[in-house]
Amino acid sequence: GQQLNQSPQSMFIQEGEDVSMNCTSSSIFNTWLWYKQDPGEGPVLLIALYKAGELTSNGRLTAQFGITRKDSFLNISASIPSDVGIYFCAGIGHSGTYKYIFGTGTRLKVLA
Amino acid sequence: GAVVSQHPSRVICKSGTSVKIECRSLDFQATTMFWYRQFPKKSLMLMATSNEGSKATYEQGVEKDKFLINHASLTLSTLTVTSAHPEDSSFYICSARDTGSGANVLTFGAGSRLTVL
Repeated sequence: GQQLNQSPQSMFIQEGEDVSMNCTSSSIFNTWLWYKQDPGEGPVLLIALYKAGELTSNGRLTAQFGITRKDSFLNISASIPSDVGIYFCAGIGHSGTYKYIFGTGTRLKVLA
Repeated sequence: GAVVSQHPSRVICKSGTSVKIECRSLDFQATTMFWYRQFPKKSLMLMATSNEGSKATYEQGVEKDKFLINHASLTLSTLTVTSAHPEDSSFYICSARDTGSGANVLTFGAGSRLTVL
């Protein structure tokens, strides 16, 4: 099925460092979302973006909905060990069916 | 906030048997639920859209007779893996939207890990 391209695929960072990951698509999306998945669990919503250009924060997390509506990025500031996990972007297209297209995921490992 | 409960969280079965996984929306109604499959270190792939009171809509390549979906109430959808085989082993995740909230986001269950021996 169709997927969004996420980069990087994985990263190791030191505790306290900032992290940036992005998600790109060849198609336009009307809604972008960022989820985090811990091992053996379902995804948990971090940030939802509804307008092109929108910049939204949730604690140490900041995400932006690209102007072209074909991309989004997620930044994590001052990373901590519990930030470890897989981060997925997801997009919803025009149809309004809530059928998410998921990104390929970014696996984050934080070194204490 | 909205909570989606999945049961069982883990199930091991013998090849050829059928397994039912339940997805419940707690404290909210969901006319539509979604079922995903996730392989190790891979992303979530949508299998089907479960519609309350009507037939599920399956994604291309997903066998509807293999993965039976029933959405008999506004808070419960079930996925039955029929005549399971080892290649059906996977992590199955459901999601639901709180239709009364106006929010344009889905809440996911904690997933069900199926192992077919």
